[in-house]
Amino acid sequence: GAVVSQHPSRVICKSGTSVKIECRSLDFQATTMFWYRQFPKQSLMLMATSNEGSKATYEQGVEKDKFLINHASLTLSTLTVTSAHPEDSSFYICSAGRGGYGYTFGSGTRLTVV
Amino acid sequence: AQRVTQPEKLLSVFKGAPVELKCNYSYSGSPELFWYVQYSRQRLQLLLRHISRESIKGFTADLNKGETSFHLKKPFAQEEDSAMYYCALRETSGSRLTFGEGTQLTVNP
Repeated sequence: GAVVSQHPSRVICKSGTSVKIECRSLDFQATTMFWYRQFPKQSLMLMATSNEGSKATYEQGVEKDKFLINHASLTLSTLTVTSAHPEDSSFYICSAGRGGYGYTFGSGTRLTVV
Repeated sequence: AQRVTQPEKLLSVFKGAPVELKCNYSYSGSPELFWYVQYSRQRLQLLLRHISRESIKGFTADLNKGETSFHLKKPFAQEEDSAMYYCALRETSGSRLTFGEGTQLTVNP
């Protein structure tokens, strides 16, 4: 079946540095990628939607200059958290859309900013 | 704006008992509804979608447009059903999913 690989699974970084999270569709082409953020014991909150070759569409309240999304190919999307701060610590999940076949989720990345 | 509500954050039942996880939605159009499940230390995965009208792992869910609900049911819960369950909605013309808050189901032996 369709698999989405998300790396790294965990990352700890110092405040002020940037962190890149990768999301790859391994055996299918993902025309659309979604990036979510999940706080402890809360639901998934959509951050942005990206289509291959075009700029991402950010949800209200999400800083596009802070959360840079690149979807340069049909199999790779990246989320870069720039100048990370402790409040950016969270669980980030990507999801690849496969048209009428639904969505496939990555395993998530636990970001801790110290 | 669309919204998905799962009123129970925690639900605990005994093995063999019936279980119902509630989901209500608000959306002005005709949505597509999903149930996703997340087992411990695993990624989110699709359990079922209303347009398929299928039963997966003994679970069923019927879309009730009058009550704007999409409750997930299973007549006899198993211990391996213990997981986090999310109800989600997709707009008619869009592709984004809106998730409910999730319900942690625990099936006790």
